[in-house]
Amino acid sequence: DGGITQSPKYLFRKEGQNVTLSCEQNLNHDAMYWYRQDPGQGLRLIYYSQIVNDFQKGDIAEGYSVSREKKESFPLTVTSAQKNPTAFYLCASSIRLRAQIGYFSNQPQHFGDGTRLSIL
Amino acid sequence: GENVEQHPSTLSVQEGDSAVIKCTYSDSASNYFPWYKQELGKRPQLIIDIRSNVGEKKDQRIAVTLNKTAKHFSLHITETQPEDSAVYFCAANGYSYGNKLVFGAGTILRVKS
Repeated sequence: DGGITQSPKYLFRKEGQNVTLSCEQNLNHDAMYWYRQDPGQGLRLIYYSQIVNDFQKGDIAEGYSVSREKKESFPLTVTSAQKNPTAFYLCASSIRLRAQIGYFSNQPQHFGDGTRLSIL
Repeated sequence: GENVEQHPSTLSVQEGDSAVIKCTYSDSASNYFPWYKQELGKRPQLIIDIRSNVGEKKDQRIAVTLNKTAKHFSLHITETQPEDSAVYFCAANGYSYGNKLVFGAGTILRVKS
């Protein structure tokens, strides 16, 4: 989807270095997500954010950090604590639709083109 | 939490034949089931989704069926074409998982011409 931009397309990390992956969307979506994809595996959720200034850990948050200071931006930092960072990283976004009080129904997630991170 | 199993891991079909991919889920409260297609090195793209209030949904050559009792759902592609070759992922929202999507491991579909 042209509305979600990830950069860079390829990224190399040195030992002990933190790197930040960018994700920007102009779809006016409230929710944003970061996934990690390893060969032969499905997508695993790292972090997600339902609204600005709020985010929650996914299944594999250790060694990663995020921020959500603006609605359109959800950067992911891969810290030196992440010992096996080589993977394909995908950012996604979706609208947030209230189905009933206290409950938001799932809406389709739209993905960016991904960033391929490798260790030097 | 939610667990999604997807079968088969690879599937080869002859052009024009049908392809079926099956997924099972563990959380009986799950109510949203999308399917994504991912070509090599590209982004996953939503191809069809279904909610638990319907049993089947079709979009041209693609259909998805849902059996809530058995907790499984399937993707059906008819009249397959070489451009259908890709990796297909199913997913389910685990209500007890904070309503987040949990993905299957993927199926590599090869359509031979």
